[in-house]
Amino acid sequence: SAVISQKPSRDICQRGTSLTIQCQVDSQVTMMFWYRQQPGQSLTLIATANQGSEATYESGFVIDKFPISRPNLTFSTLTVSNMSPEDSSIYLCSVEAYPGQGSGNTIYFGEGSWLTVV
Amino acid sequence: AQSVAQPEDQVNVAEGNPLTVKCTYSVSGNPYLFWYVQYPNRGLQFLLKYITGDNLVKGSYGFEAEFNKSQTSFHLKKPSALVSDSALYFCAVRDGGNNDMRFGAGTRLTVKP
Repeated sequence: SAVISQKPSRDICQRGTSLTIQCQVDSQVTMMFWYRQQPGQSLTLIATANQGSEATYESGFVIDKFPISRPNLTFSTLTVSNMSPEDSSIYLCSVEAYPGQGSGNTIYFGEGSWLTVV
Repeated sequence: AQSVAQPEDQVNVAEGNPLTVKCTYSVSGNPYLFWYVQYPNRGLQFLLKYITGDNLVKGSYGFEAEFNKSQTSFHLKKPSALVSDSALYFCAVRDGGNNDMRFGAGTRLTVKP
């Protein structure tokens, strides 16, 4: 399985500021995804981070609010811009990796970045 | 678009008893089905998946799930629950090779000693 490291693991942010979350994978992966998990809720896909091209955003998420970089096959960043208390969430990086031959793709998750906006 | 339903917000079982966490899905193509577990203050851990092949899939920590095409279900099971199994469980589905993975609302499993 892929090992995914996220930084920061937790942060308390001031309203109106921006924060960049980093995601590092221990192997080259084609697909990287960013999810949001609001308090007490399920996961919602923010965007798919494609290497060498712009990210693909889901309905309700825009690049100005959540700019994403994917400079290579092992790294991605998500920025949460102009934060408000409604952005307080867990932000999870995930990757699609091959756990073994012929077994199909599995999506693995990092430990998440727990952001609180005050 | 694909969707997942987890009809139970909460499941309570006694330690040593069998447990079942329910999941039903809807896709237009071939379902790729997954179960993840989230322990307190942690990210999601992959438990098991069904892509093709045997309907009964075995995964981590003694969990298994049965794919039922006619009932469009993928219930998670374990023969004998442990207190340490207490966590939040998410079912997820992808429509074949589609990148978009949809998650259920989650089921909180509590195993009492």
